[in-house]
This record gives sequence, C-alpha cells and structure tokens, in this order.
Amino acid sequence: GAVVSQHPSWVICKSGTSVKIECRSLDFQATTMFWYRQFPKQSLMLMATSNEGSKATYEQGVEKDKFLINHASLTLSTLTVTSAHPEDSSFYICSARDQRTENEKLFFGSGTQLSVL
Amino acid sequence: SQQGEEDPQALSIQEGENATMNCSYKTSINNLQWYRQNSGRGLVHLILIRSNEREKHSGRLRVTLDTSKKSSSLLITASRAADTASYFCATGQAGTALIFGKGTTLSVSS
Repeated sequence: GAVVSQHPSWVICKSGTSVKIECRSLDFQATTMFWYRQFPKQSLMLMATSNEGSKATYEQGVEKDKFLINHASLTLSTLTVTSAHPEDSSFYICSARDQRTENEKLFFGSGTQLSVL
Repeated sequence: SQQGEEDPQALSIQEGENATMNCSYKTSINNLQWYRQNSGRGLVHLILIRSNEREKHSGRLRVTLDTSKKSSSLLITASRAADTASYFCATGQAGTALIFGKGTTLSVSS
C-alpha cells in the first residue's frame, strides 16, 4: 500500500515555542491530506483538511492561527503548532488517500507525540 | 465531531478466543471502514464494507453491516497476542476526511 511518512515521531519543547510536523506521501501524490489529533485513550479528532496550493479547511473549534498548515507540494504537508502550551500536548497524526487506486481508505503517518513543558 | 459509539470500550480475552467489537453511526453512509492502531502509532486500514453489503471477510476478520440499525461489527477469530491494539470504525464520503468512532481497546493475553 501507499506510504505516508511523518516526522518527528516525538518532540519535547518549552512553552511558547513553535513546533513543525512534516507529513510526506512517499510513493504517491496527495492533493489532500488530513490532520488529526488524539488524546490518550481517546479517538482521533479531525483538525483540518490540507489542500495542495490553497488554504486549509479547519474544523470548528480549531484555531487556524494556532495550528498553521502548509501544503506547498503534492507530497508534503506541514503542521506548525505556534506558541505551544502544555494543553497542546497530544498525539498528532496525518493521513492521505492514494487516489490512483484507493480513493476511500486512508493511509496514516506514524504520528507525532508532542509534549510541551 | 465523532460519528458514533463503539462497544465495548475495552475487551480482554485469551489467545484463541474470538473478539467482537460493535460500532454505531449516526448518518447515512456509502461505506464503513475499520482501522487498527497499535499503541503510540498511526492507524492501519483493515477492511471496508460498502453500504450495499451485509458481510465481508478478510482472513480472520469478519465485518457485518446493518444499515437499518446504523451499526457494524468486527469479529476477529482465533485471536493472537499480536492482535492487541485499539480498533476504530470510521465513515466518510469519497474525497473527504473520515470520522472515527471512540474505539475498542483489545487486549489478548497468552
């Protein structure tokens, strides 16, 4: 199946700093990628839909100025958590569809565990 | 927002036993998918069942779908310790994001 690579796997940062998470589709092009957030022992909550070459679409309640998404190429989307605070500590996961063959199922990155001190 | 509920929230069984997880959803669907998540990792697609299908098999997995009740079940037969993970159902329209249920945490002990 298609491969989605996400980096870093984990990051620890001080409160007030910004953290960038990268999501790459390795063997296919992804015009759309999806960013999810997951708290311990909970489900995935959709944060935003990242669209190549245009603005991301954010879910209700997600601050677009807090979670900056850039999808500058067909294989790379980035999520930047700006001025991170302890409440932003969470597991962030990106995903994409391989529209060549699998237009319905999602392929996921391995996730990024963010800990803000 | 989340699509619905899964039950049980947690399930502990012995190796060799069958594990059944249920999922309910709220809106009409084109298909329903099941995913697996190992602790601290991304999700892996297991199986997709379309709205016009009632049952589907893949290896030791069996999925049923009842659109009249807006529910689905995932059965894992002859469970192994390696099946220990969280399992999520998900729905969504083609081209859009998937909305996930709350998940069932399965623990299989040897």
